Amino acid sequence: AQSVTQPDIHITVSEGASLELRCNYSYGATPYLFWYVQSPGQGLQLLLKYFSGDTLVQGIKGFEAEFKRSQSSFNLRKPSVHWSDAAEYFCAVGRNSGNTPLVFGKGTRLSVIA
Amino acid sequence: GAVVSQHPSRVICKSGTSVKIECRSLDFQATTMFWYRQFPKQSLMLMATSNEGSKATYEQGVEKDKFLINHASLTLSTLTVTSAHPEDSSFYICSARIGQSGNTIYFGEGSWLTVV
Repeated sequence: AQSVTQPDIHITVSEGASLELRCNYSYGATPYLFWYVQSPGQGLQLLLKYFSGDTLVQGIKGFEAEFKRSQSSFNLRKPSVHWSDAAEYFCAVGRNSGNTPLVFGKGTRLSVIA
Repeated sequence: GAVVSQHPSRVICKSGTSVKIECRSLDFQATTMFWYRQFPKQSLMLMATSNEGSKATYEQGVEKDKFLINHASLTLSTLTVTSAHPEDSSFYICSARIGQSGNTIYFGEGSWLTVV
């Protein structure tokens, strides 16, 4: 069965500190992996995605993620967090097919303190 | 860039009435759209897959007679919550993929439904 696990429900970091949000997946086929961010009451914004090639992908807002097949992980990182990064972050896995939806993790809420 | 637009962003309706939410792909054709539901502080749960020109495919546990989905054109899918009840209050989000093999999935801004 397809599943995505985000082990951390809530993370608090200081502004300027580094950040890593964990994501593990279980998928029967070659996975396509995504990270989305959601501000309160808003829709989802795509941060980055991985389909193939270089396992370290760069996204918007200074985020990056590394695909590790051996660990079935796709962790999201940012070297220096800004207060505006406080939001809910969702990891998702899918397949490159028009009729297959994404499967989402439960999300990790990021709080940023001064 | 490609944008998926939802309307309305917020709606309040009386219990027993029906409400329609629209999902439009603004500058691309979407043969497939997906409807998700999100409860407060929870993840997105897939409700149904909407295919242009054919019946939607509903996930287990989703009442197809209550959540009517119509995908009449390549740029518009609608979700109608019929005979709404307070427990239907939720955040509904649609998403769309470009064509059949597009590798980017776009999400709408979401629609807050409150049933009073």
